[in-house]
Amino acid sequence: EAGVAQSPRYKIIEKRQSVAFWCNPISGHATLYWYQQILGQGPKLLIQFQNNGVVDDSQLPKDRFSAERLKGVDSTLKIQPAKLEDSAVYLCASSLGVWQYFGPGTRLTVT
Amino acid sequence: GIQVEQSPPDLILQEGANSTLRCNFSDSVNNLQWFHQNPWGQLINLFYIPSGTKQNGRLSATTVATERYSLLYISSSQTTDSGVYFCAVGNQGAQKLVFGQGTRLTINP
Repeated sequence: EAGVAQSPRYKIIEKRQSVAFWCNPISGHATLYWYQQILGQGPKLLIQFQNNGVVDDSQLPKDRFSAERLKGVDSTLKIQPAKLEDSAVYLCASSLGVWQYFGPGTRLTVT
Repeated sequence: GIQVEQSPPDLILQEGANSTLRCNFSDSVNNLQWFHQNPWGQLINLFYIPSGTKQNGRLSATTVATERYSLLYISSSQTTDSGVYFCAVGNQGAQKLVFGQGTRLTINP
């Protein structure tokens, strides 16, 4: 069974630029999560999808972050414009039941 | 929202030693999971344990839900056990998890 795929693995941008991350969950997993992990901290949930509907986006900074999961499969997370404090690892996870399976993450550096 | 506190923040041990990691949480939970983040950043599920005790090889976990804490035991540590161990809890129906700050475990040969 293939795991959660994410791309790119690394991205360096300047502040005020835009960036997009892609996630392909494990086949058949209806629930998809995006987390932000700042260095030295635990992951923080940004948004949770159930199929292509949003279940929880209470911690998503909606003035600059957006996410979509149009066909209920893969998902894109976008930041526009980026700030220095957005430097972090962005993790995607998927689940069928209670277990969440994480992808390798995208390390974003904003300079 | 629910608060999660893990201790100790850092732990350095020699290979073969045993360790106990603690997770305290501020409210009742219906979901509690332990994860291991390896030195390359990959998060791996260890246990789903909202209550009771489970064992998997050299690892075991116990959650005392009435007292709002969970313990992760690692016996006969190996260098591959190094990394950060996270406790994550949830108390809502949508499977939302709140992560602690983690315990960084370093096993020296």
